[in-house]
Amino acid sequence: ETGVTQTPRHLVMGMTNKKSLKCEQHLGHNAMYWYKQSAKKPLELMFVYNFKEQTENNSVPSRFSPECPNSSHLFLHLHTLQPEDSALYLCASSQETSFEDTQYFGPGTRLTVL
Amino acid sequence: EDQVTQSPEALRLQEGESSSLNCSYTVSGLRGLFWYRQDPGKGPEFLFTLYSAGEEKEKERLKATLTKKESFLHITAPKPEDSATYLCAVQPLGGETSGSRLTFGEGTQLTVNP
Repeated sequence: ETGVTQTPRHLVMGMTNKKSLKCEQHLGHNAMYWYKQSAKKPLELMFVYNFKEQTENNSVPSRFSPECPNSSHLFLHLHTLQPEDSALYLCASSQETSFEDTQYFGPGTRLTVL
Repeated sequence: EDQVTQSPEALRLQEGESSSLNCSYTVSGLRGLFWYRQDPGKGPEFLFTLYSAGEEKEKERLKATLTKKESFLHITAPKPEDSATYLCAVQPLGGETSGSRLTFGEGTQLTVNP
């Protein structure tokens, strides 16, 4: 595997379900991110982790719960979601240095909440 | 608050018809401006990073330029495979050691007809 991978690629869940999204980066990066992309809206940053520590929570509802067990893996735990949470969820990673901090994205998980 | 505005929202070109996409931005201090390409149902693919006004970068038929207020993505003699949504994002100064924050525009949807 290369780059940033995400599983599952598609997910359909009811409002009472609990599910998790998984992201893995094979780039040796130290920072990982969750973004939400809804139709006709810009990408919205949700969470940032740097060296496994959460450094940003962009006012995300508590029904979204991130977990970063190490610098290569990132999870987004979902529970009691609403239909308006249906979107493409993107994971990204970057290697922060003084000169370079490009974020590389995974293919995304298309989430549908019924 | 950082802001990014992309224009036009959508652009249709004939194969070989050169044009430019615009990204206007407002940021307290710019660390970097990023261009990404996104195909339907996929994650954004990194194209360029620009760091200072006057900087230019090229890749195949694409050329990105930067001023203090905007960036342009010039497409020379486009081909149908250049059809995609092109995203612009800005990264502010500060927070270099805590994971970076990108603010994205809504994107320009480019269609190149054969």
